[in-house]
Amino acid sequence: KQEVTQIPAALSVPEGENLVLNCSFTDSAIYNLQWFRQDPGKGLTSLLLIQSSQREQTSGRLNASLDKSSGRSTLYIAASQPGDSATYLCAVTEYGNKLVFGAGTILRVKS
Amino acid sequence: KAGVTQTPRYLIKTRGQQVTLSCSPISGHRSVSWYQQTPGQGLQFLFEYFSETQRNKGNFPGRFSGRQFSNSRSEMNVSTLELGDSALYLCASSDGTARGIDTQYFGPGTRLTVL
Repeated sequence: KQEVTQIPAALSVPEGENLVLNCSFTDSAIYNLQWFRQDPGKGLTSLLLIQSSQREQTSGRLNASLDKSSGRSTLYIAASQPGDSATYLCAVTEYGNKLVFGAGTILRVKS
Repeated sequence: KAGVTQTPRYLIKTRGQQVTLSCSPISGHRSVSWYQQTPGQGLQFLFEYFSETQRNKGNFPGRFSGRQFSNSRSEMNVSTLELGDSALYLCASSDGTARGIDTQYFGPGTRLTVL
């Protein structure tokens, strides 16, 4: 059974700092890995999708890497801003469109 | 394009009742998936529908069911509600044809409270 773990569970950083969120998964038989952002009481916003054959994806200040063989992914956020405060969720896609999620990292960026 | 819409946004029911939630996917998307989010269990996959057929199912009891219509809109039904069914129910839509490699777009969710 696929298990996805995210470390740390919570993170508080001052504005402007670069930060790394970690995600690990137990079964490397995945189609892709996605990073999402969730604001309190809201739905999920897709940030980046890395296909299983890819090593990384970039969008603006965000960079995500994937090492499928070791079952790890990282989300790098450059020059963090208070508006980045949210819960960040990592999810792997198994057969079909089934997403298996980690518990998330709660990020707070202090101004 | 309009995003994924879910109705209603909030719902309060009592134990034993049943409830129907609705999800309208992004125009042109044929896959709709449903997820339950609770503080204790996090986000868990309920089921996926593609072209009116259930294509995948998670580990939830038979009280949870769904369907998809020809216009790709989907409904989820929960019968005989229990207190533990209180959760945020999220639906996600995607193209669904390139399985596993297309981005899933989530709606704002329906907050269900069971009293």
